[in-house]
Amino acid sequence: EVQLVESGGGLVQPGRSLRLSCAASGFTFDDYAMHWVRQAPGKGLEWVSGITSNSDSTGYADSVKGRFTISRDNAKSSLHLQMNSLRAEDTALYYCTKEFNYGDFRSFDYWGQGTRVTVSA
Amino acid sequence: DIQMTQSPSSLSASVGDRVTITCRAGQSISSYLNWYQQKPGKAPKLLIYAASTLRGGVPSRFSGSGSGTDFTLTISSLQPEDFATYYCQQTYSTPLFGPGTKVDIK
Repeated sequence: EVQLVESGGGLVQPGRSLRLSCAASGFTFDDYAMHWVRQAPGKGLEWVSGITSNSDSTGYADSVKGRFTISRDNAKSSLHLQMNSLRAEDTALYYCTKEFNYGDFRSFDYWGQGTRVTVSA
Repeated sequence: DIQMTQSPSSLSASVGDRVTITCRAGQSISSYLNWYQQKPGKAPKLLIYAASTLRGGVPSRFSGSGSGTDFTLTISSLQPEDFATYYCQQTYSTPLFGPGTKVDIK
């Protein structure tokens, strides 16, 4: 059974940093790209960042580019998101997701339950 | 950046109704379009990928169609467990979700 368990969320002051982690199990972690998706309270889904299976390529939403860094440790089946210079608008539930590939088509087939980040003074 | 819109933003329907949700991309995305269902307090679930391919285990009352810029998600006979918010997502370029369509009980 695929499991994605996020951790590391919490209350943080604006301008500070936080590191999110996602522990993956139930699949061959180093075969799949992984992503972070967030959802602000009462709002829709926003893709934040993604990383290829071997970490050779990463991508970021414009809203977090230059402030967030995605990484992974395939030996430990873990995904991370280093979040620096946090802003109030980064307040959200952060989901770890697994990419599914069907030929050239990508989708996110498994999601964790999320870890909540609140940025407030 | 490719923009995604969904219509309607919300709808009220009854059990047994046929429901159609539309998703439109700002430029052609071929069939790089996915649909997700999210219930309150829960993580989203993938329903349909590549515009029309039903994910294994998803009831056959769900179907997707379209290509290019216009896509639809259809629920042929709405069931009580289908009341949720539905999001489209393009993966033609940097992944982007539509704003969502909330389906609630009439």
